[in-house]
Amino acid sequence: DQQVKQNSPSLSVQEGRISILNCDYTNSMFDYFLWYKKYPAEGPTFLISISSIKDKNEDGRFTVFLNKSAKHLSLHIVPSQPGDSAVYFCAADGVQGAQKLVFGQGTRLTINP
Amino acid sequence: KAGVTQTPRYLIKTRGQQVTLSCSPISGHRSVSWYQQTPGQGLQFLFEYFSETQRNKGNFPGRFSGRQFSNSRSEMNVSTLELGDSALYLCASSGQGIDEQYFGPGTRLTVT
Repeated sequence: DQQVKQNSPSLSVQEGRISILNCDYTNSMFDYFLWYKKYPAEGPTFLISISSIKDKNEDGRFTVFLNKSAKHLSLHIVPSQPGDSAVYFCAADGVQGAQKLVFGQGTRLTINP
Repeated sequence: KAGVTQTPRYLIKTRGQQVTLSCSPISGHRSVSWYQQTPGQGLQFLFEYFSETQRNKGNFPGRFSGRQFSNSRSEMNVSTLELGDSALYLCASSGQGIDEQYFGPGTRLTVT
C-alpha cells in the first residue's frame, strides 16, 4: 500500500522555466511533509519542508504547496537550473516523536540547457 | 561537522550469507534510521533507533535487524540473504526534535 505517491517517474524542463513536481498521499494522519533531492551515488539531501498547518513554504527558488483537502503537495522550482537535475523524493511524517518517514518513489528531473 | 558515514560503500554477497552494515551519525545526533532503496520502490523504512532502543519498525521480515551503540553508531544486519535484498541501504541521523533527517551516502549491496 503506497501511502505516498509520485506518479511521474520523470520530468524534463527547459533551463530557466518552472519545474513542478507533484506528490499525493493517502494517510490523513501525516502532518509534516518534506522534499529531498538525490544525486547518483549520494544520499538524499533535505530540500524543504512544510507543516500541515501551512499551505505554502518558500525558500529561495523552491516553494512547496500543500493542499490538505486534496491530499496533494507540489514542489515548484523557479527558475530551473542544470544543477537541479536529480531525483526528487517527497516524504511524509506522521508518527509523533519518531523519525519515520514514508517516501514516494521519486521523480527524475532533467533540466535541459 | 562531519556528515553521516556508512561503511562499506559497496558489498557483494551470495545468497544465504549474512551481512552487517555500519552507520556513524552526525556528532550529537541520537536518532538513526535505516532505509532500503530499490528501483521503483523509493525509500522504504526499515527501523529507527534512539538512545540504543528500537523506537520504530517498518514492514520487513525478521531477517533484517539492527542495533545502536552507546555512541549512537548503528549497525544493520541481514541474515540468509536473498536476491531481492540487493539494494541501496541508507541510514539517516537526526537530533532530537529535528524533523529533517541527514542521510549518509548509502551502502550498495549486491546479492548474487
